[in-house]
Amino acid sequence: KQEVTQIPAALSVPEGENLVLNCSFTDSAIYNLQWFRQDPGKGLTSLLLIQSSQREQTSGRLNASLDKSSGRSTLYIAASQPGDSATYLCAATHRNQFYFGTGTSLTVIP
Amino acid sequence: EAGVTQFPSHSVIEKGQTVTLRCDPISGHDNLYWYRRVMGKEIKFLLHFVKESKQDESGMPNNRFLAERTGGTYSTLKVQPAELEDSGVYFCASSQTQVGYEQYFGPGTRLTVT
Repeated sequence: KQEVTQIPAALSVPEGENLVLNCSFTDSAIYNLQWFRQDPGKGLTSLLLIQSSQREQTSGRLNASLDKSSGRSTLYIAASQPGDSATYLCAATHRNQFYFGTGTSLTVIP
Repeated sequence: EAGVTQFPSHSVIEKGQTVTLRCDPISGHDNLYWYRRVMGKEIKFLLHFVKESKQDESGMPNNRFLAERTGGTYSTLKVQPAELEDSGVYFCASSQTQVGYEQYFGPGTRLTVT
């Protein structure tokens, strides 16, 4: 059974700092991995989708990497801003199902 | 283009009552998914529709949950009778194709069973 873990569970950083969020999965046979952002009381907003054949994806200040062999993905946020404060979730597609991590709650302090 | 919408946004019912949640996917998306997040746990898959057919319902917790997608458009998820452990946030998502494409999530329905 696929299990997805996110570390740390919570993170607080000063504005302007670069940061890395971690996601690990137990079964490397994933089809793709998707990073989401969730704001309080809101739904999930897709940030980046990495196919299993890809190593990384970039969108603006966000860069997500994927290492299937080690079962890891990272989300790098450059020059963090208070507006980046949210919960970040990763989800791995495995056997046509999405497996979510429990998320990292990020607070960027002005 | 409208995103995935869900109704109601919040529902509070008593144990033993029935509740029906509705999801309207993005127009043209054949694939529709239901997920649930209970307090302190990760979001978990419930089931997947391709058009009006159930492709995978392996995540449905028990037979008190019934999902339908008549006509392949909107979907409903009925919980009957509701139990305390059913409380949580129910998310719906849709995608154009089954795999390889992004899933777009709705805002969720927060269900509270008292």
